[in-house]
Amino acid sequence: GENVEQHPSTLSVQEGDSAVIKCTYSDSASNYFPWYKQELGKRPQLIIDIRSNVGEKKDQRIAVTLNKTAKHFSLHITETQPEDSAVYFCAASIGGGGADGLTFGKGTHLIIQP
Amino acid sequence: GAGVSQSPRYKVAKRGQDVALRCDPISGHVSLFWYQQALGQGPEFLTYFQNEAQLDKSGLPSDRFFAERPEGSVSTLKIQRTQQEDSAVYLCASSLAPGLAGGLGHNEQFFGPGTRLTVL
Repeated sequence: GENVEQHPSTLSVQEGDSAVIKCTYSDSASNYFPWYKQELGKRPQLIIDIRSNVGEKKDQRIAVTLNKTAKHFSLHITETQPEDSAVYFCAASIGGGGADGLTFGKGTHLIIQP
Repeated sequence: GAGVSQSPRYKVAKRGQDVALRCDPISGHVSLFWYQQALGQGPEFLTYFQNEAQLDKSGLPSDRFFAERPEGSVSTLKIQRTQQEDSAVYLCASSLAPGLAGGLGHNEQFFGPGTRLTVL
């Protein structure tokens, strides 16, 4: 089955700097890659997703890149703010997101230093 | 509209006790998923329903775990003879429909707040 590796497990950046979180996946059939933000004690919330027919997607301060050849995708957050502090999870799916379970990475605890 | 809801939010069970966890998906969502999230870990897939049909139960850790969605809406995850290793947050997610191409967020999985199960 699919295996998703996520790095780093903890990332501390100064407010205003950029943060990058990287994930690799094992199943070349995976075609949907969402990123979820989870604050302590709260539900995971989708912040951005990308499909395998696209190499990059941006939404304001957040961007995701996908390299299908290397089976690698990354989350980029620019101009970080205190409210960006949370745990971020990458995930992969072969069913497009609605037709099979997501395989999650172990998460990155992002800490924004004031 | 209302998001995914789950009940109870917290459940404490004695080892060996049976528990039932409920999920109310977003109205009209065809797909429903259950995940188990251990402390400090990412969610792990348990099972998937399309309407009332359980299409994938490959993630259920043992035959003590059983899930149903009899009318294609509300779902219940039942754990029999609970063990301490069952302690985790159980998350439910729903998605509008399977198999839609092109993105547009139609396949986004919306998560509920979870049920925190503690087995003593």
